Amino acid sequence: QVQLVQSGAEVKKPGASVRVSCKASGYSFSEYNIIWVRQAPGRGLEWMGWITTYNGNTNHAQNFQDRVTMTRDTSTTTAYMDLRGLTSDDTAMYYCAREGVVRECDYWGQGTLVTVSS
Amino acid sequence: SYVLTQPPSVSVAPGETARITCGGNSIGSKSVHWYQQKPGQAPVLVVYDDSDRPSGIPERFSGSNFGNTATLTISRVEAGDEADYYCQVWDSSGDPWVFGGGTRLTVL
Repeated sequence: QVQLVQSGAEVKKPGASVRVSCKASGYSFSEYNIIWVRQAPGRGLEWMGWITTYNGNTNHAQNFQDRVTMTRDTSTTTAYMDLRGLTSDDTAMYYCAREGVVRECDYWGQGTLVTVSS
Repeated sequence: SYVLTQPPSVSVAPGETARITCGGNSIGSKSVHWYQQKPGQAPVLVVYDDSDRPSGIPERFSGSNFGNTATLTISRVEAGDEADYYCQVWDSSGDPWVFGGGTRLTVL
């Protein structure tokens, strides 16, 4: 069965960087894009960007253009999201999801809580 | 950039029908997807491509999309349907993946 398993919770200080991983299994990794979405406490879903797992091409939301890097390792079927210059506003649950055939998120990871606090 | 508008909350009694709307300019020309998110859990896809259901999603969940409004309909609402619901589309202008602000469904 399709599974996306994310790395554990992180606590970071302002100005630091964080890396969240997303290990995919149960399907052909390179045939589906990975989407990254975040959710601040009590808020809605916010699209961060996507990575084309086949060739590594990425597209990021305008809000994150200068601070986010998305990569993947096809040998380990793992996608990564790096976010730099953290502020308290980046405190959120970060999700990876698989992009389905009609540009939906058909499977989601369990989420990774990133807390930014001094 | 494209904007999706959802009502913040919808309340319905058990056994009744809940309708959650998602408004957007000519949204009827786009493919709309719906997610259910229960507290402390990741979102789950419940309807995709306007009206299709993933395997394992009850037939009580259905969707429609016409004009400027897409609608998620939940028939014979159960207590377990209480959750936040989000609509989502893909748009070619601005940030392509767009989510609505979410609607909290309360089962009275």
